Amino acid sequence: GAGVSQSPSNKVTEKGKDVELRCDPISGHTALYWYRQSLGQGLEFLIYFQGNSAPDKSGLPSDRFSAERTGGSVSTLTIQRTQQEDSAVYLCASKVETQYFGPGTRLLVL
Amino acid sequence: QKEVEQDPGPLSVPEGAIVSLNCTYSNSAFQYFMWYRQYSRKGPELLMYTYSSGNKEDGRFTAQVDKSSKYISLFIRDSQPSDSATYLCAMSGLIQGAQKLVFGQGTRLTINP
Repeated sequence: GAGVSQSPSNKVTEKGKDVELRCDPISGHTALYWYRQSLGQGLEFLIYFQGNSAPDKSGLPSDRFSAERTGGSVSTLTIQRTQQEDSAVYLCASKVETQYFGPGTRLLVL
Repeated sequence: QKEVEQDPGPLSVPEGAIVSLNCTYSNSAFQYFMWYRQYSRKGPELLMYTYSSGNKEDGRFTAQVDKSSKYISLFIRDSQPSDSATYLCAMSGLIQGAQKLVFGQGTRLTINP
C-alpha cells in the first residue's frame, strides 16, 4: 500500500474487555513501532519490532499489553482486561531510515 | 528531567508571521533530528530530517540544529492557516547499545487568518 494503515480507526469498549489493534506497515519496511498518545501528550513508545522479533518491549506499560508480528509484516497490539486509563490513540509506524506513521486507532474504554 | 523538552504551547500567531518552534535535549548521543507535523485526528507526518548541526531549508520551513547547545528549532516563514497543527520534535541515537527514538511533547500551533 501507499502508507501505513491501521484498523479499526475507532474502538469503544467496556472496561475489562480485550481489544486487538492492527497495523499494516509499508511494504518492505522491516522495522515497526507502536506508540501511545494520550490527549495533549507526546508519543509514548510501547514496543519495537525488527522483522518478527521484538528487541525492545520496554515501553509496554503492564503485562496486559502484548504485541506480535507475523511474516515480517502485519502487527497486532493486544490489550487484555482494558482499563479506563488505556484510553488513548495508538499509533503504529514503520521505518527504513525514518518513521512513517499510520492514522492511529482511537481507543475509548468506558 | 525529560530527555527531550518541548513547550506544549498553545501558540497562536497571525497569518504571515514567522513561527519559531524549539526543543532542547539532554543526551549528546542523539545524532538525528526530526520534525513531525500532526493534524487533528491524524498520525504524525515527517516534515524535516537533519543529521548535522546547521540549517536545512525546505520551502517555507527551516530546521536548525545546534548540537553544542543541545537545541533544535523549526522556523516557518509566511505562515498559513493550513500550517495549524501540532509539531513534534524527535531525535534518535545509539543509546546503551540500542537505537532509541524520543519525541517531544508537541507544540500546538494555530495560524489565524
